[in-house]
Amino acid sequence: EPEVTQTPSHQVTQMGQEVILRCVPISNHLYFYWYRQILGQKVEFLVSFYNNEISEKSEIFDDQFSVERPDGSNFTLKIRSTKLEDSAMYFCASSDRGYQETQYFGPGTRLLVL
Amino acid sequence: AQTVTQSQPEMSVQEAETVTLSCTYDTSESDYYLFWYKQPPSRQMILVIRQEAYKQQNATENRFSVNFQKAAKSFSLKISDSQLGDAAMYFCAYRTPLGGTASKLTFGTGTRLQVTL
Repeated sequence: EPEVTQTPSHQVTQMGQEVILRCVPISNHLYFYWYRQILGQKVEFLVSFYNNEISEKSEIFDDQFSVERPDGSNFTLKIRSTKLEDSAMYFCASSDRGYQETQYFGPGTRLLVL
Repeated sequence: AQTVTQSQPEMSVQEAETVTLSCTYDTSESDYYLFWYKQPPSRQMILVIRQEAYKQQNATENRFSVNFQKAAKSFSLKISDSQLGDAAMYFCAYRTPLGGTASKLTFGTGTRLQVTL
């Protein structure tokens, strides 16, 4: 069964450093998303992406964040200068355009900013 | 803005028994989707069940079923014959239908389900 994959599974970084989180969505999906979950809190939407551009972004997704689909398979989230409060689980998700508009999630990347 | 409310932070059920998790939502849309996701200790988000708002019939997936009350904006999850592996955090989520753009999921705060012997 096709699945969304994410790398790395864990990342530890120093405050102020840049990090890139990588995702490989399900191959025939057209819509891509990033969500984050701070420990003990609910899952929050960051950004959605379709047709090589951002469809929607939340207030969390400020100028420190960017997304890219550098090739036909990868979808990345970059945080330019990490803050302590960026420590969270980051989930990538994808969905197709058809009737089954379910978003399928990857296993997440656990980011810890020290 | 759409909101999703899960009023039960924690629930407990004995193995083989039935439990119902509550979810209410607020929206002005007439067409939308509702989901229940399970998050075990590994923290991966796993789809449990989905419901299209235009369908009157409640969705079922094996031991999981929903009670969808559109007028009341209520979407509860019933787990029958509970198993130890059902222990997890359960999130209710709402989504507007795609209209040429990628629409986000709005999640509730979650209900932690414990399954006891």
